[in-house]
Amino acid sequence: QQQVKQSPQSLIVQKGGISIINCAYENTAFDYFPWYQQFPGKGPALLIAIRPDVSEKKEGRFTISFNKSAKQFSLHIMDSQPGDSATYFCAARGRTSYDKVIFGPGTSLSVIP
Amino acid sequence: NAGVTQTPKFQVLKTGQSMTLQCAQDMNHEYMSWYRQDPGMGLRLIHYSVGAGITDQGEVPNGYNVSRSTTEDFPLRLLSAAPSQTSVYFCASSRVRPNTGELFFGEGSRLTVL
Repeated sequence: QQQVKQSPQSLIVQKGGISIINCAYENTAFDYFPWYQQFPGKGPALLIAIRPDVSEKKEGRFTISFNKSAKQFSLHIMDSQPGDSATYFCAARGRTSYDKVIFGPGTSLSVIP
Repeated sequence: NAGVTQTPKFQVLKTGQSMTLQCAQDMNHEYMSWYRQDPGMGLRLIHYSVGAGITDQGEVPNGYNVSRSTTEDFPLRLLSAAPSQTSVYFCASSRVRPNTGELFFGEGSRLTVL
């Protein structure tokens, strides 16, 4: 049973387009929602994160939108570039830094020229 | 600054063999964890630790054992390897105080069980 659901499984976007990845969760104890980016042969690395007291967070071309009532959050990549081609994972964690981090199944993004 | 170091990077085992995947971090992080990554399943938490002497189970703990005798090291033991344990294993750590929430990952250990 997946605690954090993620879609789509794979995504192909043209250069300059917008990439959108969606996630959903059930556990209302989750209180911290990061996104990780992973390139082939490497470990994941933190991209951007949000807490549920805000509805949106933007860092450069990357934006997280958060809908607390629907228990959904999404990653938008504006002006997608070939260098953004990677696997993206959404994740969730409880209120304290001692809580475990649970990941979604991942989305493989390919940005084509 | 090495960050999170995992060894070995590649390993092939026969069914029933035992082995230990090593993980060491030099950032004085309290929190350490092990994940396995399988196609279509994402990263699934095996075990985690919030400090020396403290460990807890994650989503898929069966067949794996951990201990945390020092802040720096968090080895993962496979007692009797099975083909279902063929996977890429990642160790990750994070600081608890102050809490930035960011997990730092190693580069992974690819395990094949025949």
